[in-house]
Parts: sequence; structure tokens; C-alpha cells
Amino acid sequence: AQTVTQSQPEMSVQEAETVTLSCTYDTSESDYYLFWYKQPPSRQMILVIRQEAYKQQNATENRFSVNFQKAAKSFSLKISDSQLGDAAMYFCAYRISGNTPLVFGKGTRLSVIA
Amino acid sequence: NAGVTQTPKFQVLKTGQSMTLQCAQDMNHNSMYWYRQDPGMGLRLIYYSASEGTTDKGEVPNGYNVSRLNKREFSLRLESAAPSQTSVYFCASSDAGQLLTPPDGRAQHFGDGTRLSIL
Repeated sequence: AQTVTQSQPEMSVQEAETVTLSCTYDTSESDYYLFWYKQPPSRQMILVIRQEAYKQQNATENRFSVNFQKAAKSFSLKISDSQLGDAAMYFCAYRISGNTPLVFGKGTRLSVIA
Repeated sequence: NAGVTQTPKFQVLKTGQSMTLQCAQDMNHNSMYWYRQDPGMGLRLIYYSASEGTTDKGEVPNGYNVSRLNKREFSLRLESAAPSQTSVYFCASSDAGQLLTPPDGRAQHFGDGTRLSIL
């Protein structure tokens, strides 16, 4: 069974600094997709970034980027120039292609210190 | 564009009562999902529907039933609520795009959640 592990239950970062959230996963599949979702106190689930396993290039979305290491089954999220609005719970998630559900990690709560 | 709409947003039940959580999406997605979120547990899959007319159990299906009423709507029913079902429930949808090349792993779109408390 696929599993997703987020080893950091809580993290904090100073405003304007950079923080990296860790995620590892276990799968025997070769084609799959990885996601980071943000959940602010409003409870909404907001897609931050996605990565296709068949792509070697790391995905980037503005201040958010990932370090995807397929052989190590690692998918970390880097947030640059952290802002107060980045404070939230962050979930790493995995799915294979097609009509398949997401498998989530347990989340990392990020605090941003002014 | 509403996306995924869940009703109600909050509900308090007594043990043994039944209720149905409603979910509707207006994105013409094939697949729909129900997850529950508990503190320290992330989101866990209850049931999903890969396409209209099909449903499958997820990781934590006990105590729940689902109905894929049509392509837009996917409801979750608690027949006899128990305190262990106190949770935040999320509905999600996605378009698998199986006919596309390369295989498509599109992100899921989530509703705003239902906070359910069972006393």
C-alpha cells in the first residue's frame, strides 16, 4: 500500500525567510503524481503545487518550489520569502494516474513569525 | 463558478441519529471522493466514485454509505451516528482524463468541509 510520511508535525519560520517541509512516500508504481495542499484556518484545501513523476524538472509556482528526488522517494516543499499568509497546515499527497484517490500525509503545521 | 459545494457546513447530532451530507460539483468531473479529517491523522478516504454508477470503499468506510446520484452529486450517509464519527468531512472531485496522453493526474478540487459533532 502506498504511504506518505511527513516527519515534521510543526515548523516555524521568520517572515521573509525560507523554510523547507519534508515529505517521503512509498510506492511500487513508476507513474504517479505528487501534490502539496495548504489548509489555512478557514479549513479550505488549496492546491499549492504538483509534480509529475515522469518529469525530472522540479515544479515551481512563484515562491513555492519542490525538490523531487524520485530514487529516494522524497518530495520536499520550499517556501521562499515567507509571508504571514503562508501560516497553515500543509499536506503532502500522492496518487497514481486515472480515477484514483489521493493518499495524504498527516500534515505539517507551519507558523510564520513576524 | 462554485466548484465543489458541500452542505451543511456544521451539524451537531446525537448518538444514533442519521444524516446525509450532500456534495455537488459543477465542473463535469468524473470522479468524486469523501474524506474525513481528524487531528493528527491527515485526510483519510471514506468512499469514492470513479465514475457515475460506481462506488468503492476507501480506508475507513465502516459506518458510512454513499450514493452517486448522478454525475454532479455524491452523498455520504451516516445511518446511526457514533461519537467516533465526529470529524471534519471533505468532498472532492477530479477529472481523471484517462483518454489523454500522457496519463493525467489532475489535482482534486475540494469543498469547504462539514464539521460534524456527535454527542
